[in-house]
Amino acid sequence: EVQLVESGGGLVQPGGSLRLSCAASGFTFSSYWMSWVRQAPGKGLEWVANIKQDGSEKYYVDSVKGRFTISRDNAKNSLYLQMNSLRAEDTAVYYCARVCRDGYNRIFDYWGQGTLVTVSS
Amino acid sequence: QPVLTQPPSSSASPGESARLTCTLPSDINVGSYNIYWYQQKPGSPPRYLLYYYSDSDKGQGSGVPSRFSGSKDASANTGILLISGLQSEDEADYYCMIWPSNAVVFGGGTKLTVL
Repeated sequence: EVQLVESGGGLVQPGGSLRLSCAASGFTFSSYWMSWVRQAPGKGLEWVANIKQDGSEKYYVDSVKGRFTISRDNAKNSLYLQMNSLRAEDTAVYYCARVCRDGYNRIFDYWGQGTLVTVSS
Repeated sequence: QPVLTQPPSSSASPGESARLTCTLPSDINVGSYNIYWYQQKPGSPPRYLLYYYSDSDKGQGSGVPSRFSGSKDASANTGILLISGLQSEDEADYYCMIWPSNAVVFGGGTKLTVL
């Protein structure tokens, strides 16, 4: 059974840092692109970042470029999101999602339950 | 990143059909993209429903009933999610998504109420 379990969320002050983790199991983690998607309280979904299987390609939404870094450790079946210079508008539930790529298709086929990040003084 | 426009809310009665729309900006041709649809219920992560490119290139998520289907209206530059035979359990938020180049764009979501 595919499982994605996020951790590392919490309350942080503006300007602070936080590192999210996503533990993957039930599939060959190193064979899949992975992503982070966030959802502010009461708002819609916003894609944050993608990372290729070997970590050689990474892509970010403009609003987090230069502040957030996506990474992975295939030996540990883990995905990470290092978040620096946090702002109030980064407050959200952060989901880890697996990307199923089939030809031109790119589907977020499995999601974790999410971890809440609150940026507030 | 482009903006995908979804009506904030929609409603229909059980047994009826609901047509949810996702309008792309005028500089992005809906005919060039797979349109993906996700369903999200309160307190849960999103669930992949389906994708639609054309009648000959479409796909359903695992376990997603055939009552859910996709289409496009090229004249309106819009992707469409059609839910037929509405059931109370279909009450949820629905998000469209495209994947231009290496970025991902979600629509703002539509809250579907089953009256």
